[in-house]
Amino acid sequence: QSALTQPRSVSGSPGQSVTISCTGTSSDVGGYNYVSWYQQHPGKAPKLMIYDVSKRPSGVPDRFSGSKSGNTASLAISGLQAEDEADYYCCSYAGIYSFFGTGTKVTVL
Amino acid sequence: QVQLVQSGSELKKPGASVKVSCKASGYSFTSYTMNWVRQAPGQGLEWMGWINTNTGNPTYAQGFTGRFVFSLDTSVNTAYLQINSLNAEDTAVYYCARDGVVATYDYWGQGTLVTVSS
Repeated sequence: QSALTQPRSVSGSPGQSVTISCTGTSSDVGGYNYVSWYQQHPGKAPKLMIYDVSKRPSGVPDRFSGSKSGNTASLAISGLQAEDEADYYCCSYAGIYSFFGTGTKVTVL
Repeated sequence: QVQLVQSGSELKKPGASVKVSCKASGYSFTSYTMNWVRQAPGQGLEWMGWINTNTGNPTYAQGFTGRFVFSLDTSVNTAYLQINSLNAEDTAVYYCARDGVVATYDYWGQGTLVTVSS
């Protein structure tokens, strides 16, 4: 197994919505409802944004939402704001192991 | 509040070893597993594995067996990552991260930069 596949970059204007996909296999994303998403600003540690596919930790704006269909999970950001510009990584449980996605840079135009 | 505080940056020569520490506070240390994540310069996150903080039993991801060692000192709520026989490809920021549920890394250390250079 290897890293989950994410688009290298997505972009949108302030106020718009963007969606990031995370494609795995039936052994990871498709096999468990344990997909999480992380936001990472340059030089900072990652921050948990979504867990268990679609749950938001307290303090994370409801502009962030997660979903899954088959072997692909998605993170949607609505009402894009300047501070959302960052790298985003998905992560999936795969039975005692975990795998991160390849990462997506979100640019706010 | 939950905190994971890691040791400072390290500069090592090829062939040497390094031991990174991750001191936890603000929660029951043995109630959550501790994970390690690597991020090479300009690259993405790589899950290295985890350690059961109750038993001390480690699980290593593919590519992190042999030279990498996870350990604990539960008396001081600290997890350790040791890397032996360092080479230039080990240059990276290493993070510890608490697993809150299942593959849910809810708290992270600040990261430790390990640089391997002659």
